[in-house]
Amino acid sequence: SAVISQKPSRDICQRGTSLTIQCQVDSQVTMMFWYRQQPGQSLTLIATANQGSEATYESGFVIDKFPISRPNLTFSTLTVSNMSPEDSSIYLCSAAGGPNSPLHFGNGTRLTVT
Amino acid sequence: QQQVKQSPQSLIVQKGGISIINCAYENTAFDYFPWYQQFPGKGPALLIAIRPDVSEKKEGRFTISFNKSAKQFSLHIMDSQPGDSATYFCAAGNNNNDMRFGAGTRLTVKP
Repeated sequence: SAVISQKPSRDICQRGTSLTIQCQVDSQVTMMFWYRQQPGQSLTLIATANQGSEATYESGFVIDKFPISRPNLTFSTLTVSNMSPEDSSIYLCSAAGGPNSPLHFGNGTRLTVT
Repeated sequence: QQQVKQSPQSLIVQKGGISIINCAYENTAFDYFPWYQQFPGKGPALLIAIRPDVSEKKEGRFTISFNKSAKQFSLHIMDSQPGDSATYFCAAGNNNNDMRFGAGTRLTVKP
């Protein structure tokens, strides 16, 4: 199964600033996604990271707030822009080798905005 | 986004007992139903998954039961162990696309 590494694992940021989270997969994958998880809560899909094209965002999430890059088949970044305390959450990267392959997750980035 | 309903919210089971977690989905286009196990500070880890062409799948102590007509599926953990104490999420999707997660069940297995 794919091993997914996220950096940073946690960060404390001031409101109004931006943070870029990196996601590295140890093998080429077709599909990469970004999720948000409030502590003790469920997972909410933010967007699908598309290689070579703009990410596909879920309702309630916009590119200006959560710009995503995916330059190749093993790497993606999520930026949380102009942060507010409401953005405090765990951000999870996930990846799958293909549509019918298991979906795996990184250990997440725990973000606290003060 | 919540199209998968999961219950119970929390569950306490004695060691050796059976843990049962239930989920129901709405979208009949979903064709892939995984269960994930999450420990504190870690990402969700895929435990077992089923597709709607079978009604049951067993892997070790973990079994998924699937009822397509009722749009329901459940996870059974046999001989539950303290090491099984974690949060469990059901999910439903269409070929990894549009994956929707349940609210999670916090399982505690008492020794």
